[in-house]
Amino acid sequence: DVKVTQSSRYLVKRTGEKVFLECVQDMDHENMFWYRQDPGLGLRLIYFSYDVKMKEKGDIPEGYSVSREKKERFSLILESASTNQTSMYLCASSATGGTTREQYFGPGTRLTVT
Amino acid sequence: QQQVKQSPQSLIVQKGGIPIINCAYENTAFDYFPWYQQFPGKGPALLIAIRPDVSEKKEGRFTISFNKSAKQFSLHIMDSQPGDSATYFCAASTGNYGQNFVFGPGTRLSVLP
Repeated sequence: DVKVTQSSRYLVKRTGEKVFLECVQDMDHENMFWYRQDPGLGLRLIYFSYDVKMKEKGDIPEGYSVSREKKERFSLILESASTNQTSMYLCASSATGGTTREQYFGPGTRLTVT
Repeated sequence: QQQVKQSPQSLIVQKGGIPIINCAYENTAFDYFPWYQQFPGKGPALLIAIRPDVSEKKEGRFTISFNKSAKQFSLHIMDSQPGDSATYFCAASTGNYGQNFVFGPGTRLSVLP
């Protein structure tokens, strides 16, 4: 059974703190993604990575950075958390090529910044 | 041009009804159109997907209808059940890595028993 796991289901952080969200996939997928999900806005892509140490900005990268040192692990970093980064964060992975571009999602991390 | 519009925002039907969710896109480079289903507390999961070379695809009780000229596609759920109550997202994608994956804002479906 394919699996994407995220390090925390719920996090509460203070404004200005550095926040690390970790994601691990066990499917040997090349591609990994970080989205944030907000009501009425759907899922918006923050960053994606198509290979180890490779990263590309998505639609809303401001205030975020990422790290991919190993194929199975993709980390999202909030350098200095702000209240407008309170959201649900979803990690996903997918394989390159084939007939489907299915993205497999983790359960999400609900981050609250106070 | 990257936006995917989705309607309605929420939908309530009786058990056995046929809810229909509609999506529209502008970017003609999109070549993969999936629907994702999300239950509370879970991440989205792929439900069904279509490519623009076909006009309809069925998987069980779920059907995608695709109108390439109108740049619209829709999800129909036949004989809906309370267990289908979830949030549904349409999406459109292009790119070798699927990196240009644009999601609609979602439709919250409630199926009453």
